[in-house]
Amino acid sequence: DTAVSQTPKYLVTQMGNDKSIKCEQNLGHDTMYWYKQDSKKFLKIMFSYNNKELIINETVPNRFSPKSPDKAHLNLHINSLELGDSAVYFCASSQGQTISYNEQFFGPGTRLTVL
Amino acid sequence: DQQVKQNSPSLSVQEGRISILNCDYTNSMFDYFLWYKKYPAEGPTFLISISSIKDKNEDGRFTVFLNKSAKHLSLHIVPSQPGDSAVYFCAASAFGGATNKLIFGTGTLLAVQP
Repeated sequence: DTAVSQTPKYLVTQMGNDKSIKCEQNLGHDTMYWYKQDSKKFLKIMFSYNNKELIINETVPNRFSPKSPDKAHLNLHINSLELGDSAVYFCASSQGQTISYNEQFFGPGTRLTVL
Repeated sequence: DQQVKQNSPSLSVQEGRISILNCDYTNSMFDYFLWYKKYPAEGPTFLISISSIKDKNEDGRFTVFLNKSAKHLSLHIVPSQPGDSAVYFCAASAFGGATNKLIFGTGTLLAVQP
């Protein structure tokens, strides 16, 4: 049983298109994240939601809009895709985001290629 | 500004020997450090962590050492096994706020030769 799942696993699209990546976790966690791993292998946080509320929003272009319909799902919608958006996007989840650290569980990643 | 650095992009070790992966950080506010392991086409998986109040944490074949004065941590794997071949990411976090934000290094590719 997959703990954190993402769909699709691969996404190839043209510049200017709008696309979405879905993420679901069945761990009962209340915090979810989106990370981007670029061509230089930097793995950087983009967003974090706790109980459907946005708590981390890094300096990400507003073409990227996360949506959390419930605490088990955090989807990433990207408008007007650009070449530089090509990367692997990882979803993650953890239990809580309080004073003690809680391990983050990662999904398998979605490789987005913008042509 | 890269706050967490892994200066060795790759490391090759013979099976049975010790693997030592290094990580340096610049932000003195970091108080929790983690190592994640990543196989190709999979997401990172948590391996071991250490709080800044400790200087060593051990879990089976894996030991993490923290040198706060040098802002340096290392992961020791002994004995190394071929199944340990993967990319290892060092990550750091700073509490004191209501976030659980991880700052990752760029990873070190470990190849354990049979």
